[in-house]
Amino acid sequence: DQQVKQNSPSLSVQEGRISILNCDYTNSMFDYFLWYKKYPAEGPTFLISISSIKDKNEDGRFTVFLNKSAKHLSLHIVPSQPGDSAVYFCAARTNFGNEKLTFGTGTRLTIIP
Amino acid sequence: NAGVMQNPRHLVRRRGQEARLRCSPMKGHSHVYWYRQLPEEGLKFMVYLQKENIIDESGMPKERFSAEFPKEGPSILRIQQVVRGDSAAYFCASSTDRVDTQYFGPGTRLTVL
Repeated sequence: DQQVKQNSPSLSVQEGRISILNCDYTNSMFDYFLWYKKYPAEGPTFLISISSIKDKNEDGRFTVFLNKSAKHLSLHIVPSQPGDSAVYFCAARTNFGNEKLTFGTGTRLTIIP
Repeated sequence: NAGVMQNPRHLVRRRGQEARLRCSPMKGHSHVYWYRQLPEEGLKFMVYLQKENIIDESGMPKERFSAEFPKEGPSILRIQQVVRGDSAAYFCASSTDRVDTQYFGPGTRLTVL
């Protein structure tokens, strides 16, 4: 049972344009969400997170939007840069004594120069 | 401040041998998590430990796998009598407390021949 889904395995975006990565979840108990970026042969690197009490969180070029009613979140990267080419994982967690992260299967983002 | 360290980075074992993976958390972090990533999949939670205690091992196979985080030294994930299906990337993450962001190490890539 895949509780966190990233339905687009890959995405290509022109350099300078906006990249939008999507994530859906099914477990209504999730209340904290994170995005990680992963380069080949490296561990995931934390990018940005959002609590369920918010609908938007911004950090530089990265903005995460949360739509709780739709159980959907998205990561916006603008402007996209070649160094953003990586696999992006969405992860979710509940907040009552259960610390484990549930990950999506990832979206491979390629920025075209 | 050094990040999460894992060793070895690559490990090759024959079927039936033991694999021992080590994780040193970031300085000041006392919470350690192990995740496994199979090819073309997302990361799957295995076990969550604090110093000398296993807090949640709900993601760990009941047989052949064990984990520890002793008072002194790194956390160890041990896989006995490895099988081909154990071939995967094993990632360790650490945090300062149970609700803090988890920071990942570079992973150990286990190949079972």
